[in-house]
Amino acid sequence: GQQVMQIPQYQHVQEGEDFTTYCNSSTTLSNIQWYKQRPGGHPVFLIQLVKSGEVKKQKRLTFQFGEAKKNSSLHITATQTTDVGTYFCAGHKAAGNKLTFGGGTRVLVKP
Amino acid sequence: DTEVTQTPKHLVMGMTNKKSLKCEQHMGHRAMYWYKQKAKKPPELMFVYSYEKLSINESVPSRFSPECPNSSLLNLHLHALQPEDSALYLCASSRSLGTSGYEQYFGPGTRLTVT
Repeated sequence: GQQVMQIPQYQHVQEGEDFTTYCNSSTTLSNIQWYKQRPGGHPVFLIQLVKSGEVKKQKRLTFQFGEAKKNSSLHITATQTTDVGTYFCAGHKAAGNKLTFGGGTRVLVKP
Repeated sequence: DTEVTQTPKHLVMGMTNKKSLKCEQHMGHRAMYWYKQKAKKPPELMFVYSYEKLSINESVPSRFSPECPNSSLLNLHLHALQPEDSALYLCASSRSLGTSGYEQYFGPGTRLTVT
């Protein structure tokens, strides 16, 4: 079946530094979505990427969809304590209705 | 209103009990989902309803029984659960199904403990 892997599982970041989390699918995706889940909270939608090679920015967050539509990345610049949480990528397989979540990257920020 | 509500927030039940989880949305969404999430794991899809009809059942044990009484409501009936069923149960909704991929709005979840 379809698998979506995320690395790293954990990311300890010094406040003010940048980091990147990566998402890789075993199959071609029709789209990729990113969600953030704060500790004790529920997943909240951040963004969706649909086109091959697409790049989207939200303030300090930059999202990228690979050319082959099998991988994606999330880059955060100048990390803040508000960035703490788990970031999940999730993708729809081509011709599928099910959203498959990656394992998540748990981000901890050192002040 | 972009909110999905879930009740109860917390539930403790014995293995012989019958209980129900409730989910409600008023965004006019026609797809609704139940997910199960264990600690430090991603949400795991259980059921998907599209236009009030069950569209996907991810081989969930029959002790979990979903119901969609109308387009705004989604229930999950629980019976004879096992301790390993203890988890956060998340409800979500989206405009509809499809590979075009509509964003999913998640409720705050019900934290279930089976004793």
